[in-house]
Amino acid sequence: DTAVSQTPKYLVTQMGNDKSIKCEQNLGHDTMYWYKQDSKKFLKIMFSYNNKELIINETVPNRFSPKSPDKAHLNLHINSLELGDSAVYFCASSLSEISTQYFGPGTRLTVL
Amino acid sequence: GENVEQHPSTLSVQEGDSAVIKCTYSDSASNYFPWYKQELGKRPQLIIDIRSNVGEKKDQRIAVTLNKTAKHFSLHITETQPEDSAVYFCAASMGTDSWGKLQFGAGTQVVVTP
Repeated sequence: DTAVSQTPKYLVTQMGNDKSIKCEQNLGHDTMYWYKQDSKKFLKIMFSYNNKELIINETVPNRFSPKSPDKAHLNLHINSLELGDSAVYFCASSLSEISTQYFGPGTRLTVL
Repeated sequence: GENVEQHPSTLSVQEGDSAVIKCTYSDSASNYFPWYKQELGKRPQLIIDIRSNVGEKKDQRIAVTLNKTAKHFSLHITETQPEDSAVYFCAASMGTDSWGKLQFGAGTQVVVTP
């Protein structure tokens, strides 16, 4: 009965590869987010979807492409991975745009 | 855009003492201020939040105060316990029509020593 889940938990890959991270929430929330947490623990929003519609698109390289097949899922695809993409990526969801955001367990991405 | 500054970056306290973390924000339209606790290797979890129409909110040993005029808000933890050791993040909504966009502070590593 996990509220916000992500897969995989760990991802180790070579530079130049393409990878995806999946996120699912069973809370019935309308809004979902992707955050990046760097090695200094800084949390920065990347994208937000509301009812499958892209709402927030921060200054993120276009190698990152989110996709929301339905309200309960928000996936993140990353093309041509670079060393600087190594970080922990957190998915989150909230009932509406100004309500508590619940975070997933995170995906630790390591690019070699 | 919104800028959130958080101090201190590290905080060591003796068990039983109080801990205070302060944050300032720049966007006067910000109206939602959550605090998250992140234990090592875990997800950030909301511990308390406050909205701009309230000056103070308390939940057991945790309290948050908001000064809209000065644009700062603080987290107060009383009677600290070793399990309070974690990184704490403040955040501020990015103002009207922000669609849930939160700007996070850089975090405060709190260490509670027995």
